[in-house]
Amino acid sequence: DGGITQSPKYLFRKEGQNVTLSCEQNLNHDAMYWYRQDPGQGLRLIYYSQIVNDFQKGDIAEGYSVSREKKESFPLTVTSAQKNPTAFYLCASSMSPGTSGGQPETQYFGPGTRLLVL
Amino acid sequence: AQKVTQAQTEISVVEKEDVTLDCVYETRDTTYYLFWYKQPPSGELVFLIRRNSFDEQNEISGRYSWNFQKSTSSFNFTITASQVVDSAVYFCALSGNMLTFGGGTRLMVKP
Repeated sequence: DGGITQSPKYLFRKEGQNVTLSCEQNLNHDAMYWYRQDPGQGLRLIYYSQIVNDFQKGDIAEGYSVSREKKESFPLTVTSAQKNPTAFYLCASSMSPGTSGGQPETQYFGPGTRLLVL
Repeated sequence: AQKVTQAQTEISVVEKEDVTLDCVYETRDTTYYLFWYKQPPSGELVFLIRRNSFDEQNEISGRYSWNFQKSTSSFNFTITASQVVDSAVYFCALSGNMLTFGGGTRLMVKP
């Protein structure tokens, strides 16, 4: 079945530790995204990538880093610089925004990773 | 700047009642897309609908219907004869270069 997988489902981080969240998709989508969701709030964009080996900062990129070495994979690293990392992290993918005459494509989401700080 | 407002943070209904979730948006773009997503307790966002700003026809899909009114910048979502399985957080979103999400409405359907 085609879809987006995220692992782990729960992740615990110690003070000063970097942790990496995995996101893989087999939908053959060019674009991938990372969002952060805090309790009772909407989603905020951390990073996005529209093509392999290229990515852009979103609204809240500080304290996070990403890589896009393969089309299928877009891992997110939460660095020790992120002082308040406890949140629910959602990965999404879509066809390239240029596919339909430049209009944005529908984003499809993975099941999420819940990050907690010890 | 784009903005999406879902003024209802939480709604509680009894099964079989109809319920409408409000969404009001702000944008300077003349062409844009609007979306609704459902987030059940499991956490994953499930895509429900995408609507082009040029298409103001209302849409119905089973018990779900959407009312898009450009004149009032609203894209409201109605669930007819609600069921317990409809309990979730519902997000409205607006596309510009990227998606802008509203704060979500938590719907609780009681048996």
